[in-house]
Amino acid sequence: EPEVTQTPSHQVTQMGQEVILRCVPISNHLYFYWYRQILGQKVEFLVSFYNNEISEKSEIFDDQFSVERPDGSNFTLKIRSTKLEDSAMYFCASRRTVNKRDQPQHFGDGTRLSIL
Amino acid sequence: DQQVKQNSPSLSVQEGRISILNCDYTNSMFDYFLWYKKYPAEGPTFLISISSIKDKNEDGRFTVFLNKSAKHLSLHIVPSQPGDSAVYFCAASSSLGDNFNKFYFGSGTKLNVKP
Repeated sequence: EPEVTQTPSHQVTQMGQEVILRCVPISNHLYFYWYRQILGQKVEFLVSFYNNEISEKSEIFDDQFSVERPDGSNFTLKIRSTKLEDSAMYFCASRRTVNKRDQPQHFGDGTRLSIL
Repeated sequence: DQQVKQNSPSLSVQEGRISILNCDYTNSMFDYFLWYKKYPAEGPTFLISISSIKDKNEDGRFTVFLNKSAKHLSLHIVPSQPGDSAVYFCAASSSLGDNFNKFYFGSGTKLNVKP
């Protein structure tokens, strides 16, 4: 069964450094998402992306965050200048939906980001 | 922003018995609801969903019930198996406008099925 893949599984970065988290969504999916889960807390929406542009973003997704689909397969989340509070699990998800809105999002296994 | 709430952080059930996980929501515009299961070190896995035109959806051992007037949904697992031990998240979205792209998650309930 096709799945969303994320790399790396664990990223350790010094505070202030830039980090790029990578995702390969399911190939025929059109909508892409990033979520994060701080340890012990709920899964939080960051951003959704469709047709090569951001369709919605949360208040968490400030100017230090950006997303990109540089080619036909990868979907990346960049954090420009990492802070200690950026330490979390980051999940990528994708969704097929074209006309049918009631379809689930499919998640990757996440990247654990540790900021030192 | 607690539009989706799971008030029980954990639940322990004997193998073979029924597990009932509950979820409440506050936004009356939500019309699509999902349950995800999450094992440690893995991403959430889609389990079952229901749209607001129904009040019940069944898939094997899993049944989701929706009570729109109470803004409440529940997931029933019968019979429960040790492999069902995981964290269960409910999620909701609205098909109106552009919000169908955004899922709101509850904080999760950790289910432990004892052999």
